[in-house]
Amino acid sequence: AQKITQTQPGMFVQEKEAVTLDCTYDTSDQSYGLFWYKQPSSGEMIFLIYQGSYDEQNATEGRYSLNFQKARKSANLVISASQLGDSAMYFCAMRGFSGSARQLTFGSGTQLTVLP
Amino acid sequence: GAGVSQSPSNKVTEKGKDVELRCDPISGHTALYWYRQRLGQGLEFLIYFQGNSAPDKSGLPSDRFSAERTGESVSTLTIQRTQQEDSAVYLCASSLVASGANVLTFGAGSRLTVL
Repeated sequence: AQKITQTQPGMFVQEKEAVTLDCTYDTSDQSYGLFWYKQPSSGEMIFLIYQGSYDEQNATEGRYSLNFQKARKSANLVISASQLGDSAMYFCAMRGFSGSARQLTFGSGTQLTVLP
Repeated sequence: GAGVSQSPSNKVTEKGKDVELRCDPISGHTALYWYRQRLGQGLEFLIYFQGNSAPDKSGLPSDRFSAERTGESVSTLTIQRTQQEDSAVYLCASSLVASGANVLTFGAGSRLTVL
């Protein structure tokens, strides 16, 4: 079984500063993928970034980067230079590459508020 | 289509009635997922379809919930004898395949309110 844990129900950050959103996971799969999604108050789910378990480099997409520490089973999202539009709920998710683990399992989310 | 389309966007029903929610995935996407999101909570997996394989129904909360998909086309999620605890946003997503780095693209959701 897969499990995603996000221990920060809410986070605040000052505009233009960086913020790290925590995510730890548990899986028995050897190969898996980790995803981050953003959900603004409008409710849509927006894909941000992906990290494969065998990727040697940490993933980056613009202002988003993923701090992947495989031995610690953590996949923290780093948002640099926060903007007011970054205020949203952020979900970490994972999916295995085989068998019954192909569903995308989500964490409980972190509500990020960017302060002006 | 260009994105995942869900209908209705809002549905208000009385307790005990049946409801059907529809999802039209992105053309060419063989995998289709249904999730439930209660107010202020995370996404709860319900079911996924991968091509013509048997669906993974492991997340369906009770036998009142069922879903169908014909081939790689539209899917319908049916909730029979609705209860107040069924009130939630039901999100549909599709991806090229149900594996690996394939990103799920979500629809806007169907908000269900059971009175």
